[in-house]
Formats: sequence, structure tokens, C-alpha cells
Amino acid sequence: GAGVSQSPSNKVTEKGKDVELRCDPISGHTALYWYRQSLGQGLEFLIYFQGNSAPDKSGLPSDRFSAERTGGSVSTLTIQRTQQEDSAVYLCASSFGGLNTEAFFGQGTRLTVV
Amino acid sequence: DQQVKQNSPSLSVQEGRISILNCDYTNSMFDYFLWYKKYPAEGPTFLISISSIKDKNEDGRFTVFLNKSAKHLSLHIVPSQPGDSAVYFCAASGRAGTASKLTFGTGTRLQVTL
Repeated sequence: GAGVSQSPSNKVTEKGKDVELRCDPISGHTALYWYRQSLGQGLEFLIYFQGNSAPDKSGLPSDRFSAERTGGSVSTLTIQRTQQEDSAVYLCASSFGGLNTEAFFGQGTRLTVV
Repeated sequence: DQQVKQNSPSLSVQEGRISILNCDYTNSMFDYFLWYKKYPAEGPTFLISISSIKDKNEDGRFTVFLNKSAKHLSLHIVPSQPGDSAVYFCAASGRAGTASKLTFGTGTRLQVTL
């Protein structure tokens, strides 16, 4: 597709389970971001991939969170041993990564931990 | 450490009037600024941007102003329309270091009333 695609669109999981969220960026985009938005909150930065550089993981809230980007394209965000406070909309965005370029967002994955 | 701040969580404007959304930043390495619009249950969509070499950028009803000395930018929407009701996020990025990724403010919810 032409845009950023995220799957699943909705995920309900039990507390303590692991979840994987997937992001397919726009073809040719070298930069990929993960953000999350909790209810009533702003966009919280999680992790940033830029080309072959080491990812910026400074936003990951705990070691239960990890992300990888295979082949410079698809990315997976994994949350282990989910907690109720992990419930949020997880948003992925991609860009060309050069100077002065905008990022394009997917529709997000709504994660609910019960 | 909130490097991009939107101090007004909400704003209500009458249809046809001007909406002014404000954003402040602290990182002097930021040199590219963007505004995104977000409807409920959708990902943010890019609206307009401005490079630090400019102090104004206009696109139809939307104008972004940048005051580098004050580290302040604003988005003007005129005339405001009911369809403009959404959450608006300010974002910033720079060339290197911690500024190289896209950093978002907490958002301002705009309500355009009839």
C-alpha cells in the first residue's frame, strides 16, 4: 500500500501475556518511529530507527519493551509481560529520514490489557 | 524533560474566526518544525511545516509563524471551520544528536463551534 500499515488494528490481551505489534513503513523510507498515546495524553516517543544506525531507544519505558526492524523495512514492537498501564494506542511513523522531511503515521494499534 | 511544549490543552473558537495554536521549544538544535492534526481513532496527519531559515509559511487557510529568538511557533487557521476540530500536535527535529528525531508536544484540542 501507499501508506504506513500497522497490524493488528486492535489487540486485547491478558495481563502478563506478550504482544507483538507490526509496522510496515512506506517503501523507501529509511526512518521509522514508534510512539504511543495513552488516554488523554500526548504522543510519547518510544524508539527511532534511522537507516543502519543504532536505534534510539531512549523512550522505551522499561526493559519489557523492545523493537526491531528487519531488513530496514518492517518493524515489530514487542511488549513482554504486559501490564494494564501498557494500554494505549501504539503509533508507527516513517519518513525519508533526511533533513526537513515530515513523517507519515499509520492508523495505530489500540492495545488493551485486561 | 519536555523539549516541545503546548501549554494550552484545549481551545474553543467560533466558526469563521481565527484559531491560534501555540508551541514553545527548548532545544536550540531544532531547526525544522511541523504541525500535525489528529482525529479520534486515526493516526496524526501532517499539516504544515517550517524550516528555521524562514519565519512564516502559508498554505491556504493555515499559516505557521516561527520566532527563533523566543523559541516559539504558532499555527494560525483562518477562517476556522467545524472540520478543523481535532487535536493539533506541534513537532520539531534537528540535524544531529538528540534533536535528530521528531519530538512532539502534548497537543491542543481545538473545538470549532457553530
